[in-house]
Parts: sequence; C-alpha cells; structure tokens
Amino acid sequence: GENVEQHPSTLSVQEGDSAVIKCTYSDSASNYFPWYKQELGKGPQLIIDIRSNVGEKKDQRIAVTLNKTAKHFSLHITETQPEDSAVYFCAAGGLGNEKLTFGTGTRLTIIP
Amino acid sequence: EAGVVQSPRYKIIEKKQPVAFWCNPISGHNTLYWYLQNLGQGPELLIRYENEEAVDDSQLPKDRFSAERLKGVDSTLKIQPAELGDSAVYLCASSFRSDGRAVFGPGTRLTVL
Repeated sequence: GENVEQHPSTLSVQEGDSAVIKCTYSDSASNYFPWYKQELGKGPQLIIDIRSNVGEKKDQRIAVTLNKTAKHFSLHITETQPEDSAVYFCAAGGLGNEKLTFGTGTRLTIIP
Repeated sequence: EAGVVQSPRYKIIEKKQPVAFWCNPISGHNTLYWYLQNLGQGPELLIRYENEEAVDDSQLPKDRFSAERLKGVDSTLKIQPAELGDSAVYLCASSFRSDGRAVFGPGTRLTVL
C-alpha cells in the first residue's frame, strides 16, 4: 500500500517569512495530492490540492509543487501570518475517491 | 451551506460499553468516509461508502466495529464493545465522487476509561 512521509514534524518561522513542508510517497499509481490544515479541536480543512498532470499550483500565498519522478511534493506558504499556525497534513491517493493516505503532520508555529 | 455534521462531539465511556457516532454529510455528496485519528497522527481510513455501498472497509476492525449508511445519506459508526485503545478522534468526511475533495466534519473525541 501507499506510504507517505512528511517533514519536518515541527516548524517555527518568523511572521512574514516563508514556510516549506515536504512529503514523499511510495506508490507510483497515486495521482492526487491534497494538503489539509487542522486547527485545535477541528477537523482537517482542505487548503490546496494538485493532480499528477500538473507540476505546480498556486492559490494566493499558498503553492504546491509535485515531482512525480522523484515521488515528492511540497507545500509553500509565503508571507506567513499568525493565523497560519496549525498542523498541516499532506496526503496521497488515487484519482477520484480511492483511499487517501495521510502523512504524520507538521506543526507550524508563526512567531509574531 | 452547512458543513459535515457529527454528533456527539465528545463521548466518555467505560471499556466494554457500546458507543455510536452519527454523521450527516454535505448535501449532494455521494461519497462518505469514516477516519480514525490518533493523537499526533494523520487520519486513517476506516471505511468508505459510495451511496449506500461500502466500497472499502479493509481497515475496519470488523470484530467490534460496524457501520451503516442507510438511504445513502446519514451514516452511523458503532463500536461494541469499546476497548481502551479505541480512544481517539473519529472523523467523518464526504465528497463528490467525481473529484474526491473530502470535506471533514469536526470529529467525535472518544475517551474509553
């Protein structure tokens, strides 16, 4: 089955700086890669996703890059703000509704 | 538009007792998921429904866990009997079958004493 590794497990950045979280996956058949943000006491919230037919996708301050050859994908947050503090999860799975395998999460702390 | 609704939000029970969780997905979403999230970990899929049909229940411990999605809308996840190791957050999510963009509910935090 799919195995997703996520790094780092914790990340602290100064407000206004950029944050990068990286994930690797094992199953070359995976072609859907979402990122979720989870705040304390809440369920995960989808913030951006990418499918394997594109290499990069951007939405305002958030971007995701995908390297299918190397089987890794990354989340980039620019101009970080205190409200970006949360736990971020990457996931990998098949197109449509096949099983998503999640990484172990990155706790991001933005230092004011 | 209302999101995914789960109840109860918190549940504390003694071991060996039964417990049930309820989920109401987003209107129109035909795919429903139950995930288990242990402290400090990512969600792990327990079961996935397409309408009324359970299409992936390979990770559901069937000796004590059961689930149903009657009429292809609401769903119930049951544990009987609960064990200490079942303490976790149980998340429900739903999506359109066509895009797989899962929307999660707030979860039910279960504590087994």
